[in-house]
Parts: sequence; C-alpha cells; structure tokens
Amino acid sequence: QVQLQESGPGLVKPSQTLSLTCTVSGGSISSGGYYWSWIRQHPGKGLEWIGYIYNSGSTDYSPSLKSRVSISVDTSKNQFSLKLSSVTAADTAVYYCARVYVWGSYRPVHWFDPWGQGTLVTVSS
Amino acid sequence: DVQMTQSPSSLSASVGDRVTITCRASQSISRFLNWYQQKPGKAPKLLIYAASSLQSGVPSRFSGSGSGTDFTLTISRLQPEDFATYYCQQSFSAPLYTFGQGTKLEIK
Repeated sequence: QVQLQESGPGLVKPSQTLSLTCTVSGGSISSGGYYWSWIRQHPGKGLEWIGYIYNSGSTDYSPSLKSRVSISVDTSKNQFSLKLSSVTAADTAVYYCARVYVWGSYRPVHWFDPWGQGTLVTVSS
Repeated sequence: DVQMTQSPSSLSASVGDRVTITCRASQSISRFLNWYQQKPGKAPKLLIYAASSLQSGVPSRFSGSGSGTDFTLTISRLQPEDFATYYCQQSFSAPLYTFGQGTKLEIK
C-alpha cells in the first residue's frame, strides 16, 4: 500500500526557509485522483492544513500561510516538497505529509489517508 | 472559514464503555465530515469518511453519524487501544480544510 515519509532538517534558524520533502512509495504520485498535502501540528495542539499539490503541479494553500508557502512536485522521484519562508518560533511544529483522497464526481468528498509519520521542525537560533 | 468545534475536549471512560464524541460545524457542511484517531507520537489515522463510512480495516465498534452541522463519533465498547485523541475534519470548503480542536479520551 501507499506509504509516505517526510525528510528534512529538524532545526531551522529564524528568518530562514524551512524545506521538507515527502517521498511516496508503494504507488505513483502521478496517479490521477489524488492531491498531495502538507499538514502541521504545533506542540500539544491541533491540526492545521498548509496546502496541497496535484501531479500536474497545480497548488492551493492556506490563506494564512499563502504568502510564505510553496509546494512543488518531482514526479520522476515520486516526491513532493514544502518550502516555508521567513520562519519564526511560531512555525515550530510536527509537519506531516498526507495523500488527499478524492471520492465522488459532482461534489467529491476529500479526506487525508495515508499520512507520513511526521517530522518535528524546531525554529531556533 | 468553516469552524469545527468538538465536545467534550477531554473524556474519561472505562474499557467496555460506550462513548460518544460530538463535532459541530459553524455552517452546514452536508456530510463532508471525517474522523481521525491520533495516538501519542503518531500520525492521525482515518477512521470514518463522509460522516458515516467506515474506513477499511477499522473495527466495527467505531461508527459515525450526522449531517448538516452536527456529527457524532461513537465507540460502542471501548478497548484499551482506543484511548487516544480524536479529531473531526471538514472538506465542504475544500481545499480550505479545517479540523476540530480534538477530544482526548483517557482511561478512567
């Protein structure tokens, strides 16, 4: 079955850019019908959607992060990546990648499954 | 944004109990509602999609119901492995997905 795995630095300095990669195994990221998403969870808090990308490269982002976020896809490597610029301590969180399953045609239902295991990114000097 | 509010925020129960968690949306979201289970240090796991459809492999003691603004997740007979935090998530306003704040289910 499809599995996702995040990778990237666990420590980023304030004002720098956070960069993470999600590697998809057990299936092709080029398969239609799915979006590929990033979600974060601040320590001890709830879940926040960051954005997603389709295999064509089209993206959508959370309005609250849109000015600082970029998600890209590399279908040859079966990976998609997150960049978050100008980070502050408020961006310290566990970052998850997840597949967005789209079900139905007229008004499809979306859900996140599966998820990567998550990676903690700490913003500190 | 569609705001999702779960109640209670935390809940104590015993093995074998029947437990219900509620999720309320700030506007009608039809049945665009999913439920996840998260254990400490782990990623969330999908339990229920489209309000009441059980994800493959999830035990049948989990069930979901509701439509519009009010939804419930019910665990019919709590097992030790069910103690976790549960989140609801709406996709009515996709891609502006939002989650509830979570309900922590603890052992009494």
